[in-house]
Amino acid sequence: QQQVKQSPQSLIVQKGGISIINCAYENTAFDYFPWYQQFPGKGPALLIAIRPDVSEKKEGRFTISFNKSAKQFSLHIMDSQPGDSATYFCAANIQGAQKLVFGQGTRLTINP
Amino acid sequence: DVKVTQSSRYLVKRTGEKVFLECVQDMDHENMFWYRQDPGLGLRLIYFSYDVKMKEKGDIPEGYSVSREKKERFSLILESASTNQTSMYLCASSFGPWGSGYTFGSGTRLTVV
Repeated sequence: QQQVKQSPQSLIVQKGGISIINCAYENTAFDYFPWYQQFPGKGPALLIAIRPDVSEKKEGRFTISFNKSAKQFSLHIMDSQPGDSATYFCAANIQGAQKLVFGQGTRLTINP
Repeated sequence: DVKVTQSSRYLVKRTGEKVFLECVQDMDHENMFWYRQDPGLGLRLIYFSYDVKMKEKGDIPEGYSVSREKKERFSLILESASTNQTSMYLCASSFGPWGSGYTFGSGTRLTVV
């Protein structure tokens, strides 16, 4: 099954709080898991990515947690800021196919 | 910076028209993709290409075709536009063996009336 299921569809967080977006997959042939950030009027841009041999990756305020046995991964945004308000997509690469399957997207709003 | 340029930001077309969406990338990427973005459905792959004159169907190819005559250019064609093809269309290019380094264009919002 070549699907990635993302939740929640929308999320509102207060400034300074932690934003958490979750994704789940079934296909064990996925070998690369990026997150994309999209601002209105722009295309998605790569935010952070992880490979399945690593359980966590952190870049600044953004962290991916990866649970291979549960086939789940999540994005945590620490100290969320109004400038983080955007739509976030998780994705997974099909091994050997060089193409990404995307989740449904989460519209994140950070209230000041 | 890699740039992926989509020729139109907004398009309004009539039902039954033949529609061309153009995409050009400037970093010599082998791989190019067309996705459509709809609320609640995320990004769905329409067609992709790993090389010039090569194309493969994605998850939702019905009603679409593509052309890649030059490495830097990948065109999406709606043979006979229908209202259910009203959507945001995103072109992307990439390098590397893991689909990493996807760069997206800013998108074309197509409305079919």
